Amino acid sequence: GAVVSQHPSWVICKSGTSVKIECRSLDFQATTMFWYRQFPKQSLMLMATSNEGSKATYEQGVEKDKFLINHASLTLSTLTVTSAHPEDSSFYICSARVAGGVQYFGPGTRLTVT
Amino acid sequence: GDSVTQMEGPVTLSEEAFLTINCTYTATGYPSLFWYVQYPGEGLQLLLKATKADDKGSNKGFEATYRKETTSFHLEKGSVQVSDSAVYFCALMPQSGGGADGLTFGKGTHLIIQP
Repeated sequence: GAVVSQHPSWVICKSGTSVKIECRSLDFQATTMFWYRQFPKQSLMLMATSNEGSKATYEQGVEKDKFLINHASLTLSTLTVTSAHPEDSSFYICSARVAGGVQYFGPGTRLTVT
Repeated sequence: GDSVTQMEGPVTLSEEAFLTINCTYTATGYPSLFWYVQYPGEGLQLLLKATKADDKGSNKGFEATYRKETTSFHLEKGSVQVSDSAVYFCALMPQSGGGADGLTFGKGTHLIIQP
């Protein structure tokens, strides 16, 4: 089946620094990837849609200057959390869409900002 | 906007019991509906899906039928196992986006199966 990886799986950073999270589709190409955020014991909330070769589309309320998304190739999308603050601590999950609309999810990245 | 409502857990059952996890949705038209499962320490995995009314998705003994009249997509399994313990998410993808939209998720239901 389709495999999506994320790196790193866990990161701790200091307040004010930036963190980059990578999302890769390992055995297929994805023109569209998605980034979600999951709070403890909560559902996944869609943050943005990442389109290869074009600008990402952000959901209402998500700061595009804070959460920078780059979809440089058909197998890689990156999310950079800029000037991170403790309230950005969360579980970030990416997914890649295949034909038919099914999305395959990465294992997630836990970000802790101290 | 679109929304998904599912029963909140935790739901605790004995092994071999019958499982139902309710899921209802609000959306225009005919969205595609999904059940994802998240095992401890792992990412979300697609469990089953249905793309049109009256479709039945099934996998690993789990089933769910797309009911347009009741806007529901309840998950069922006839005999659960300890290995089914996980968090289950109901989700929808709007019809309008042609598959290019992100998913709207329910809050998840934590299922605990006791031996």
